[in-house]
Amino acid sequence: GAGVSQTPSNKVTEKGKYVELRCDPISGHTALYWYRQSLGQGPEFLIYFQGTGAADDSGLPNDRFFAVRPEGSVSTLKIQRTERGDSAVYLCASSLSAGPQFFGPGTRLTVL
Amino acid sequence: AQSVTQLDSHVSVSEGTPVLLRCNYSSSYSPSLFWYVQHPNKGLQLLLKYTSAATLVKGINGFEAEFKKSETSFHLTKPSAHMSDAAEYFCVVSDQGFQKLVFGTGTRLLVSP
Repeated sequence: GAGVSQTPSNKVTEKGKYVELRCDPISGHTALYWYRQSLGQGPEFLIYFQGTGAADDSGLPNDRFFAVRPEGSVSTLKIQRTERGDSAVYLCASSLSAGPQFFGPGTRLTVL
Repeated sequence: AQSVTQLDSHVSVSEGTPVLLRCNYSSSYSPSLFWYVQHPNKGLQLLLKYTSAATLVKGINGFEAEFKKSETSFHLTKPSAHMSDAAEYFCVVSDQGFQKLVFGTGTRLLVSP
């Protein structure tokens, strides 16, 4: 597609459940990023992939969060044992190797 | 570590009047700076970027920003506001590889007729 796409657009889950959020980057973009935006705040960096490998995962808040990009294109952000504090909009971005980042519309996660 | 401070959480202007959104940065090296705009229910869109070339940077939709090292500022301006400019604006600094963006808390621009 023309831009970064993310699915689902909205996800409601119960505390303690497992969720997966998907990101499809712009075709040909080698770098992929995940950010989290809490209500009233700017996005915060979570993790960055260059190709298939996670080059920087310093923003992941704890070991309940994990992300993969097995073929160097689509990425999945996985959250185990969700907590109410995980509620936020999760943003994905992609770029050419060192170019500006282009963002998707986000997935709004609500943990009840 | 890099950081940005957006000095106003809300800015209100009338259509046709100038816009000024203020941003100060902190960086241990020559920074790369960006402004992004976020319209409701839409993704973040890059307005402009500064990467140590010209200090006056022109972006899309008539916006521009000036990098002032002496003041550690990167304010966003537009000569004449349009109703469609109403949105949330984020000032952003990146690490040297453009890999990790650090966002400010945002400024909500309100434009009245």
